[in-house]
Order: sequence, then structure tokens, then C-alpha cells
Amino acid sequence: DAGITQSPRHKVTETGTPVTLRCHQTENHRYMYWYRQDPGHGLRLIHYSYGVKDTDKGEVSDGYSVSRSKTEDFLLTLESATSSQTSVYFCAIRGTESSGNTIYFGEGSWLTVV
Amino acid sequence: QKEVEQDPGPLSVPEGAIVSLNCTYSNSAFQYFMWYRQYSRKGPELLMYTYSSGNKEDGRFTAQVDKSSKYISLFIRDSQPSDSATYLCAMSATGFQKLVFGTGTRLLVSP
Repeated sequence: DAGITQSPRHKVTETGTPVTLRCHQTENHRYMYWYRQDPGHGLRLIHYSYGVKDTDKGEVSDGYSVSRSKTEDFLLTLESATSSQTSVYFCAIRGTESSGNTIYFGEGSWLTVV
Repeated sequence: QKEVEQDPGPLSVPEGAIVSLNCTYSNSAFQYFMWYRQYSRKGPELLMYTYSSGNKEDGRFTAQVDKSSKYISLFIRDSQPSDSATYLCAMSATGFQKLVFGTGTRLLVSP
């Protein structure tokens, strides 16, 4: 358990509405990530953060923004949700050097855009 | 063509069988190779991590990397029903910043 909590775990929202997903970690990890997982595509990186207020884009960042005002929280915002953003979203952290700097995932947030 | 290819399965085996899961890749710069296990409606959990070529063993699991063939494998010995899950390979050229995942192979182990 890497101490990652995602909220909400499940959400149904309407097209065009803004949505924010929260990732909270308790172990002071510097690197945090947001991935989405879709059938036929696997896990794809949306955005990542390498410190407070330091973020960068991943492979599928269009339509998403992120913020990290505190080490423990990494927020993913869908500015105006579309049906193509229906997916499972996973937050991840990079573990310590002693664990090989590997990536550990949260339990996921299921988002449905109707 | 995807950078990482993985057969989606499902792969069905009886309990006790040796399971072989595989991924091929096209980017010769990949040096970091991982296997994740994902149970239904759960997050992926790291099983094995190897750097560069060679084998790595952990209990019933063995990870193998053949960089010359751009091919990685995960072997599960004495498979158990609790091994039934989706197995994802992941790899990167630069460490863990930009992991590229396979789409996963679903494994079913029947009692």
C-alpha cells in the first residue's frame, strides 16, 4: 500500500460540466501521475508532477489540466467533460530509490460522462 | 503500430500449470521493464522490475528480457486460481517518467 487515496471513486457527470478528481498521498513522494485506462489502449499518461506547482504533460493531456499546491494532493480537472473522457483514472506515485523508483497506483476513479 | 504489443487473451490454464506471458516492443531504447498485475476493478500492482537484459526471479515468478529480440516474458510456476488477473507489461527508456504500457493479457486459472 503506497498510501494513495483517490476521490471520488465513482462519478457520473453530464457532458460539458467540469469535473475534478483528487489524488491524496501520505508518504511525501515527489512524483505523482495521472493515467487513464481504456480497453484496447492500456494505461496512458495524462499529466505528471515533479513537485509543488511543477507539472508537465503526458501522452493524452488535451482536455485535462492539473494542479499541485501541496505535496500530498494532485488534482486532475476535466474543464468541460466529453463522452470520450469516460474512463478509469488512476493516480500513481513514484516510490523511493530503495524500491527502485517504481510506480505505484491507486485504486482508480471510474468516471462516466453522459 | 503500437510501441508495445501484448496479446489480450484470455489465456485459460488449469491450476498448477506454468504460464508464459509475453510482450514485444519496437523501441530499442527501452531499458526498464516491469510487470504489473491488475485484479478486476483494482489498480495495477507491481510484480517484477528488471533493468536491461537478463532474468529475475521472485518466488513463483520469473521475468525475462531479451533485448536483441525486443521481447519480454513473465513466467508463473505452479499457477493458482488467485493468479487470475490481467497482467500488464510496461517499459521505459528513461526510468519511470514515461512508462509505455501494453494493453494487458487476461489470465484465467481454473481449479
